[in-house]
Amino acid sequence: SAVISQKPSRDICQRGTSLTIQCQVDSQVTMMFWYRQQPGQSLTLIATANQGSEATYESGFVIDKFPISRPNLTFSTLTVSNMSPEDSSIYLCSVEGWEGASSYNEQFFGPGTRLTVL
Amino acid sequence: RKEVEQDPGPFNVPEGATVAFNCTYSNSASQSFFWYRQDCRKEPKLLMSVYSSGNEDGRFTAQLNRASQYISLLIRDSKLSDSATYLCVVTGSSGSARQLTFGSGTQLTVLP
Repeated sequence: SAVISQKPSRDICQRGTSLTIQCQVDSQVTMMFWYRQQPGQSLTLIATANQGSEATYESGFVIDKFPISRPNLTFSTLTVSNMSPEDSSIYLCSVEGWEGASSYNEQFFGPGTRLTVL
Repeated sequence: RKEVEQDPGPFNVPEGATVAFNCTYSNSASQSFFWYRQDCRKEPKLLMSVYSSGNEDGRFTAQLNRASQYISLLIRDSKLSDSATYLCVVTGSSGSARQLTFGSGTQLTVLP
């Protein structure tokens, strides 16, 4: 599978601040996504990061709160803005569709960023 | 009704046992189906895709029944290293062909 890295791996932040999470893939991929996994819960899709255009957000998530960039086919960022304790979660990027994948629609996940907001 | 439903468990089984997990999905238009495993404090990792004809990978067998909207995962000869949370995942459940919708996961502990 593609090698996916995320930075930072974890952070503790004060409420009202913002954090930008980076996702880097070692090969070009068609699709990149951002998910959230709140404590004890399963994963919820935040948005699809579109290369060269605005991200596509799922219901309940808005651009002002979670701005996303995807400047090329190997990199994306997610910003968690004006954080509150309710934003404490693991944030994961995933990728789909790269040369050499056994199936084009299988998604693989980065290691996640564990965010705690005080 | 949840889009993807799983028995949360926990399933505690002895080493060597056979264990089966079930999953149902609500949208008959769902297109692709997967099982992921997630170890504690780690990211989900793709275990296997699930095809209509059923598929097997070593000790793991996955089945899909589109008529009943039901997916299963069978683990034979359980190992201690199989202890994890198993996530049933469906695409196309919420209108987007690529959107993964996750079940809440089934926790498995294999005991020595």
